[in-house]
Order: sequence, then structure tokens, then C-alpha cells
Amino acid sequence: AQSVTQLDSQVPVFEEAPVELRCNYSSSVSVYLFWYVQYPNQGLQLLLKYLSGSTLVKGINGFEAEFNKSQTSFHLRKPSVHISDTAEYFCAVSAIHTGTASKLTFGTGTRLQVTL
Amino acid sequence: TAGITQAPTSQILAAGRSMTLRCTQDMRHNAMYWYRQDLGLGLRLIHYSNTAGTTGKGEVPDGYSVSRANTDDFPLTLASAVPSQTSVYFCASRLAGSDTQYFGPGTRLTVL
Repeated sequence: AQSVTQLDSQVPVFEEAPVELRCNYSSSVSVYLFWYVQYPNQGLQLLLKYLSGSTLVKGINGFEAEFNKSQTSFHLRKPSVHISDTAEYFCAVSAIHTGTASKLTFGTGTRLQVTL
Repeated sequence: TAGITQAPTSQILAAGRSMTLRCTQDMRHNAMYWYRQDLGLGLRLIHYSNTAGTTGKGEVPDGYSVSRANTDDFPLTLASAVPSQTSVYFCASRLAGSDTQYFGPGTRLTVL
């Protein structure tokens, strides 16, 4: 089984400041890692994902994340946030299996609030 | 393209009543999923389907049932709703061979 911990339920930040949203996971098998964003009253949208290869992954809207296997972390970063980045961010993992559905296990989410 | 549609957008339901939440995708994705989203708990998997004709239980399946008669539709049924099923429900789908799930806009359900 897998579990995901998002340490911060809320992160307030001023516009144009950098931000890091933390994600740690636990799994007995290798996993794929994802970050999803949920804007108010909308569904989830994929920001970025790590499947293999380079541990630094770049996604949409200027976000990036770094996979750290030794620390079992997949923190999300953006060097300069915008008001429009205000949203809920979810980290998720999926066990690497063959022949089975890629079920996602989600963290509890981090609310990013960007203010002027 | 429409992607994934869910209906209704929101619903208030009396406890004990039954309800079917509809999910339709037009991407010909093989796998489909139902999640519920609750404050402080994130999203939890209710049921899933690898392909038409098959279904499986997720993390929180009790009180819910699903069917997958064809590729496009994956309805979620609450046979006898209880207040603890008040939540926002998201349907998702995934193409075989891909690891990315695509989510619908959600259904907000309130059980009183």
C-alpha cells in the first residue's frame, strides 16, 4: 500500500515570491508521482508527473518538482507565483504495476493562497 | 472535445433515498474511476474499472455500487444514501498504457 503526506494544509504567499509545496510518500514498491491542481469549483488538472529519468520534472504554468528517492519526497516549486496560482494542490502516487489499473493515492492537499 | 462529463452538477438528497451519479467520457479511455473528495482527507478511490465489463473496489467502497456496461459510461449508485456520503464526487478516466488520469468537473452531493 502507498501513502502520501502533504505537510502543509495551507501556504500563504505574496505575489512574485517563490513557493515550495512539500510532499512525502511511503511505498513498498516503486511508484509514479504526480501533482494535480484544483482551481475553485473545478476538477483536477495534471500539473506534472515523474515516471522515470531526470529527477527534475517541469510542468505547466512554470511549476517544477524534484523527485528525491532517498528522502521519498516530491516537492513542488515555482520561482515566482501569480495571483492566478491560487488553488488546491494535490500530490499523488501510483504503484508501478503491469496489468492492473493505475490507482492513485492522494495526499490531503495544500491550499496555496497568493496575495498582493 | 467534451472529455469527461458528470451529472448532475449538484444535488440535495434525503437520507434513505437512492441516487445515481452519471459519468461519461468520449476519449475511448479504457479505465475509469470514482473518487470522493472530503475536506482534510483529499481524494479517496471508491470504485474503478479497468475495462468495460469489469469493476473493482477502491479504498472506500461501502454504500456504493458501479457498473461498466460500455466503454463510455461509468455510473455510481448510492442505494440508500446516508449523511456521511455528503461529498464532492469526481469521475476520472485513463487510456491503457498511459499513467495520467483525466478528471471530470465533479458532482457536489448533500445528503440530509
